[in-house]
Amino acid sequence: EIVMTQSPATLSVSPGERTTLSCRASQSVSTNLAWYQQKPGQAPRLLIYGASTRATGIPARFSGSGSGTEFTLTISSLQSEDFAVYYCQQYNNWPRTFGQGTKVEI
Amino acid sequence: QVQLVESGGGLVKPGGSLRLSCAVSGFTFSDYFMSWIRQAPGKGLEWVSHISSAASTIYYADSVKGRFTISRDNAKNSLYLQMNSLRAEDTAVYFCARVYYAFDVWGQGTMVTVSS
Repeated sequence: EIVMTQSPATLSVSPGERTTLSCRASQSVSTNLAWYQQKPGQAPRLLIYGASTRATGIPARFSGSGSGTEFTLTISSLQSEDFAVYYCQQYNNWPRTFGQGTKVEI
Repeated sequence: QVQLVESGGGLVKPGGSLRLSCAVSGFTFSDYFMSWIRQAPGKGLEWVSHISSAASTIYYADSVKGRFTISRDNAKNSLYLQMNSLRAEDTAVYFCARVYYAFDVWGQGTMVTVSS
């Protein structure tokens, strides 16, 4: 099983700041990596797939990069609605696995 | 619009069974792979099971293998998860999700509580 490790667990930021979240895979997943945003009481929302492709309707302030085992999600200027938990997930191997999440808080 | 609506959750005793359903609308269900993903209270996301568009390929997480069965009815635009021999650790919100590379569309989830 591929273990996905996200860092940090919690990120304290201010609106307008640039924020970078990290995700590491225990073995290569090529670019078969997705990022999700989840707010309390809601289902996760797909932000990025293919490591760097924004999903439909996702603002340009969200960007993803990386390949192999190291990935980042960058939010260029944090908006109030971006405070949430972010998960990475690999879809290169079975079982599909998620990181433990990074909480972005004020 | 694209919509996934789960149902069938509830309170069940350890060892009991439940059948979850996911009703799909707004897209051609038979064209897509589908998955179930769960989230225990206050915890992260755990992929549970996957089914291909024609149900010819199925995968399960080790934690549910032999106890859960995924199925679909393309004529009814519905996805199912039959859960048997339920354990306390199966307590979670269960989401169905469409697969397009990643999980691109999610339902709102249905809560399953396993407790005596």
